[in-house]
Amino acid sequence: RKEVEQDPGPFNVPEGATVAFNCTYSNSASQSFFWYRQDCRKEPKLLMSVYSSGNEDGRFTAQLNRASQYISLLIRDSKLSDSATYLCVVKVQTNAGKSTFGDGTTLTVKP
Amino acid sequence: ETGVTQTPRHLVMGMTNKKSLKCEQHLGHNAMYWYKQSAKKPLELMFVYSLEERVENNSVPSRFSPECPNSSHLFLHLHTLQPEDSALYLCASSQEYSASYEQYFGPGTRLTVT
Repeated sequence: RKEVEQDPGPFNVPEGATVAFNCTYSNSASQSFFWYRQDCRKEPKLLMSVYSSGNEDGRFTAQLNRASQYISLLIRDSKLSDSATYLCVVKVQTNAGKSTFGDGTTLTVKP
Repeated sequence: ETGVTQTPRHLVMGMTNKKSLKCEQHLGHNAMYWYKQSAKKPLELMFVYSLEERVENNSVPSRFSPECPNSSHLFLHLHTLQPEDSALYLCASSQEYSASYEQYFGPGTRLTVT
């Protein structure tokens, strides 16, 4: 089993749709969680950190469920510019700065 | 954004060449990372430096040799590479080598080994 697993995708949604991605992690000692987006042939860029209480940034909402060991990303009112690959990143407290990246979920928003 | 810069952006090299990739971060961070991203594959961590000391070396072949002369600069020296080493090489930095801090990536060097 992979340490971090993401919805396989691809997700193809119309503009204005709401879409949600999940990411499960296997290590219960995982401490920090992040969502990155990566555009084609570009570097990953931090989208948002995921806090225990959940957090929202505009159209994006991230949530953490420690009991079930998953994090989620909800995108409301999808825009064409949201088309990208979304990477889930998990860090384990006992392994300092090492980040484990998921394989990514590809989102395509269509007109 | 110019927080983390990488040069060159593109590199084509033969299997017998020696080249170096350069990364510079302008964020005052103490940890720097090299990742490899092959087509259709997730990011693979190669090396981590914290305060100029190497703290991670993930079974990377010796044809890849990192160097961190100071906390702002990171190099990846390449020699006798194989075609399967063709990939996007990404540099990243974080404030500390700690689970609490997010990483910021440079634009990457797209390497092709012929």
